Amino acid sequence: NAGVTQTPKFRVLKTGQSMTLLCAQDMNHEYMYWYRQDPGMGLRLIHYSVGEGTTAKGEVPDGYNVSRLKKQNFLLGLESAAPSQTSVYFCASKIYASNQPQHFGDGTRLSIL
Amino acid sequence: TQLLEQSPQFLSIQEGENLTVYCNSSSVFSSLQWYRQEPGEGPVLLVTVVTGGEVKKLKRLTFQFGDARKDSSLHITAAQPGDTGLYLCAGDRGSTLGRLYFGRGTQLTVWP
Repeated sequence: NAGVTQTPKFRVLKTGQSMTLLCAQDMNHEYMYWYRQDPGMGLRLIHYSVGEGTTAKGEVPDGYNVSRLKKQNFLLGLESAAPSQTSVYFCASKIYASNQPQHFGDGTRLSIL
Repeated sequence: TQLLEQSPQFLSIQEGENLTVYCNSSSVFSSLQWYRQEPGEGPVLLVTVVTGGEVKKLKRLTFQFGDARKDSSLHITAAQPGDTGLYLCAGDRGSTLGRLYFGRGTQLTVWP
C-alpha cells in the first residue's frame, strides 16, 4: 500500500536554484495539499487542489508554484530558492467527503544554503 | 493568527503519569481531528470527533470535543515511552475545499 509518495526525500539547494517536489497518490483522492512544517509552527498550507487541473493558494503561497495535470500527481515548484524556504515539506491527499482525514507522505527535507 | 491554539507546546513527563493536551478556538468546527507524528514521518490520524460533547477512547487515549465544537482535548492515562511524539490537532470547518486548520503541535516526551 503506497498511499502518498513524495520525492525526493532530501535535497540541498543553493540560493537562487530551482527545483520541483513531486507528490503521487494511488488512492484516487480528489483533494491534494502541500504544507511546510517548521519548528513550533505546526503545518502551514502552501497550495492545494480540489481536482485535476485546479489549484488554489493557501496561507503561505509566496515563492511557490504548483501544478496538477494528472489527478494522482501534485507538483510543488520553487523557482528561485531562498534560505527562508528551508523546511520540511509534506504532501497530503483526501477523499471528497466531509470530516475525512488527510493522508500524508513522509515529507521532503529541503535545505537552502 | 492561529485559528487553533494548542497547548502546551512541550511536555516532558515520566512513564506512568497522566497528561492532557488542549486545542482551543473561537471558531466552530464541523469536526476536529487529532494526528500523531513521529520523527521522519508524516502525521497519522488518531481520531476524528464530530459531535459536540463527543468522547472517544483509543486504549489509554481519551479525546473530547467541546459542546460548542470550538475546542478539544486529548488525555493520556499512564503514559508510556511509546507515546512519545508530536501531537497535532486539526479543525475542519466543513467547507467544500476540505481544508484543515492545524494547531502548532505538542511535542510529548515520555521518559522510562
